[in-house]
Amino acid sequence: AQSVTQLGSHVSVSEGALVLLRCNYSSSVPPYLFWYVQYPNQGLQLLLKYTTGATLVKGINGFEAEFKKSETSFHLTKPSAHMSDAAEYFCAVLMDTGRRALTFGSGTRLQVQP
Amino acid sequence: DADVTQTPRNRITKTGKRIMLECSQTKGHDRMYWYRQDPGLGLRLIYYSFDVKDINKGEISDGYSVSRQAQAKFSLSLESAIPNQTALYFCATSDPLRGGSTDTQYFGPGTRLTVL
Repeated sequence: AQSVTQLGSHVSVSEGALVLLRCNYSSSVPPYLFWYVQYPNQGLQLLLKYTTGATLVKGINGFEAEFKKSETSFHLTKPSAHMSDAAEYFCAVLMDTGRRALTFGSGTRLQVQP
Repeated sequence: DADVTQTPRNRITKTGKRIMLECSQTKGHDRMYWYRQDPGLGLRLIYYSFDVKDINKGEISDGYSVSRQAQAKFSLSLESAIPNQTALYFCATSDPLRGGSTDTQYFGPGTRLTVL
């Protein structure tokens, strides 16, 4: 079975500071990995995804994530936080077999302080 | 216009009532999904459908049923709503033939359901 763990349900950073949102997964086969963002009162929007190839993935709004197989991690980073980054972020995993539906982490709410 | 639409966007109902949430998509995708979101739990899969004749249960299907009326429409029903079904419900679509093998999912705006 696959699972996703997001460390920290709430993260607070200052504007201009580094954003680091942590995601660890468990999967018996190489997974596809996703980060989604949910702004208040909106649906989920894809930030970035890892499938195969380059392990450093760049997404929208200056975010990037690095797939580290040895650490089973897919942490999301942004060098400099902006007030507009305040949202909830979800890490998700999809296995290339069987159900092919996403398994989500519990989410991390990012606050950006002025 | 939005590619994935959900109706209604908000609904308040009473225990025991039958409720239907509807999802429509113009993306031409074959695969459709229903998730529910609860605070601190992320999104959990209720049902999914890979085509009109294919319906599958997800992690938390008890108390729910679905209908895939057409490629573009996927409805979720609560036959007899109960308070712990109060949640935010999302529909999503994907199509590996168009999106490669990654099954990127595209989400609707959500339906906020309150069961009193």
